[in-house]
Amino acid sequence: DGGITQSPKYLFRKEGQNVTLSCEQNLNHDAMYWYRQDPGQGLRLIYYSQIVNDFQKGDIAEGYSVSREKKESFPLTVTSAQKNPTAFYLCASSTTVRSYEQYFGPGTRLTVT
Amino acid sequence: QKEVEQDPGPLSVPEGAIVSLNCTYSNSAFQYFMWYRQYSRKGPELLMYTYSSGNKEDGRFTAQVDKSSKYISLFIRDSQPSDSATYLCAMRRAGGTSYGKLTFGQGTILTVHP
Repeated sequence: DGGITQSPKYLFRKEGQNVTLSCEQNLNHDAMYWYRQDPGQGLRLIYYSQIVNDFQKGDIAEGYSVSREKKESFPLTVTSAQKNPTAFYLCASSTTVRSYEQYFGPGTRLTVT
Repeated sequence: QKEVEQDPGPLSVPEGAIVSLNCTYSNSAFQYFMWYRQYSRKGPELLMYTYSSGNKEDGRFTAQVDKSSKYISLFIRDSQPSDSATYLCAMRRAGGTSYGKLTFGQGTILTVHP
């Protein structure tokens, strides 16, 4: 089945630790995205990538980092500099960055204590 | 002030009711308007898409865009318990540096009870 996988579904970390969230897609899409979802705030764009070895900051990039070494993979690292890391993180992809339709993965719920 | 405002609800209706979900926006440059549906603990999925103004119908769902009022709506006819989900509106400007950037509303939680 084609789609986007995110792992793990739930992740727990201690404050001060960096953590990397996985996102893999087998849709052969060029563009990939990371969003953060908090209650009552909708989805906010963290980073996006138009193509391999390229990525752009979204609206709330501070405290996060990404890489895009392979077309299929777009991992997100939540660093200790992120003030409020506890959230639901969603990865998405689209055929190209021009496409209005983004396909979402199932999400990773990160809890930092 | 947020660029896109959406009443978070929650909204509870009986099965068979007509549901109206709405978003207002402040940026007149938005040209692409979308509605996503998100079931609990899942990722959103695209439900409806409209470019610029007008109506679009797909089965029990109708999306309306009124650019003069900066207002979009999603209507669900003959609502079913399986429609219970969070509905998110999303918008995008056309072209240039706007590629890839969707702006989402806060989402409306809908429950349809039998």
